[in-house]
Amino acid sequence: AQSVAQPEDQVNVAEGNPLTVKCTYSVSGNPYLFWYVQYPNRGLQFLLKYITGDNLVKGSYGFEAEFNKSQTSFHLKKPSALVSDSALYFCAVRADTGGFKTIFGAGTRLFVKA
Amino acid sequence: DTGVSQNPRHKITKRGQNVTFRCDPISEHNRLYWYRQTLGQGPEFLTYFQNEAQLEKSRLLSDRFSAERPKGSFSTLEIQRTEQGDSAMYLCASSFSGEGNQPQHFGDGTRLSIL
Repeated sequence: AQSVAQPEDQVNVAEGNPLTVKCTYSVSGNPYLFWYVQYPNRGLQFLLKYITGDNLVKGSYGFEAEFNKSQTSFHLKKPSALVSDSALYFCAVRADTGGFKTIFGAGTRLFVKA
Repeated sequence: DTGVSQNPRHKITKRGQNVTFRCDPISEHNRLYWYRQTLGQGPEFLTYFQNEAQLEKSRLLSDRFSAERPKGSFSTLEIQRTEQGDSAMYLCASSFSGEGNQPQHFGDGTRLSIL
């Protein structure tokens, strides 16, 4: 069975500091991994996806994610946080073994303080 | 690319009533997904269409729920005999077909409140 864990309900960081939002996953087969961001009363916006062979993938708005196969993790990172990055972030996984079901984590709220 | 459109944005109804939501995906996308999101949780998969064919349904989709995509374009999600527990945000997403790592594009959702 597929699962995604985002161990932190909230991450607090000062503007200009680096940020990390953690995600671990469990899936049969190889994973398709994604990060999405959600602002209040809006749908989810795609940030980035894992590309096979690239352990560090770059996405929108200066975000990047680090894939670690041995730790089954796909942590979201940004070198310098902005107040406008404050939002709800979701990690998602889908197995490559067939089926179309994408599993989302419970989300991590990022709060960037000026 | 006008984005995924969902209507209505908000729906308030009494318990026991039927409700129907509409989703208009991005026109070039042939995959369409429905999710349910409750407060403090991530989206939960409900069902998936490839063109007009409904290829996968979650066990969350009880017999009170039905989804259609009759011409492979827009989709509707109907909930019959609504219950308090149906109160949630219902999200629609669409994507290109092809490789499994195609990102999904989400609408802004329909928020359902059951009185």
